[in-house]
Amino acid sequence: DQQVKQNSPSLSVQEGRISILNCDYTNSMFDYFLWYKKYPAEGPTFLISISSIKDKNEDGRFTVFLNKSAKHLSLHIVPSQPGDSAVYFCAASGFGGGATNKLIFGTGTLLAVQP
Amino acid sequence: DTAVSQTPKYLVTQMGNDKSIKCEQNLGHDTMYWYKQDSKKFLKIMFSYNNKELIINETVPNRFSPKSPDKAHLNLHINSLELGDSAVYFCASSQQGTTYEQYFGPGTRLTVT
Repeated sequence: DQQVKQNSPSLSVQEGRISILNCDYTNSMFDYFLWYKKYPAEGPTFLISISSIKDKNEDGRFTVFLNKSAKHLSLHIVPSQPGDSAVYFCAASGFGGGATNKLIFGTGTLLAVQP
Repeated sequence: DTAVSQTPKYLVTQMGNDKSIKCEQNLGHDTMYWYKQDSKKFLKIMFSYNNKELIINETVPNRFSPKSPDKAHLNLHINSLELGDSAVYFCASSQQGTTYEQYFGPGTRLTVT
């Protein structure tokens, strides 16, 4: 039973336009959500996060939106750049942080930004 | 000055062998993790250690044994390797009590033939 789902395996966007990556979750106990970016042959790198007490968090070109009632979050990248081309993983946690913090990952969305 | 490093990066071995993957972090974190990414790209936690103590032990065959000699190192030993163990294994670390963010190593691609 997959608790975090990314239903779009891939997304193609033109440079300069907005990229929107979506993520759905089923466990209402999750209270913290993260986005990771992964290049081939590298480990995931932390991008941005949001606590369940917020509905938006912004960091430069990256904004994460959280809709708790719909159990949905999205990552907006604007403007998109070719260097943003990577696999994006959504992750969730609801285990109190710290040592018991196990991140539950989605299966990722491959973003391709076309020049 | 790699934050989380893993060795080896690639590991090809035959069924039945025993192998180890090493992980080291220089971030001063006190919690370390092992994740497995299978052929479907699903990234799933296996273990976590806090200050050398096992905290999370997911449903993993007991052929997998993590060992933490100190809080900067978390090694993964796998006995009697099977074809289904082929995957990419990622080590990660975080600081307890501060953030949820975990920092990942580059991964070890294990291929069992």
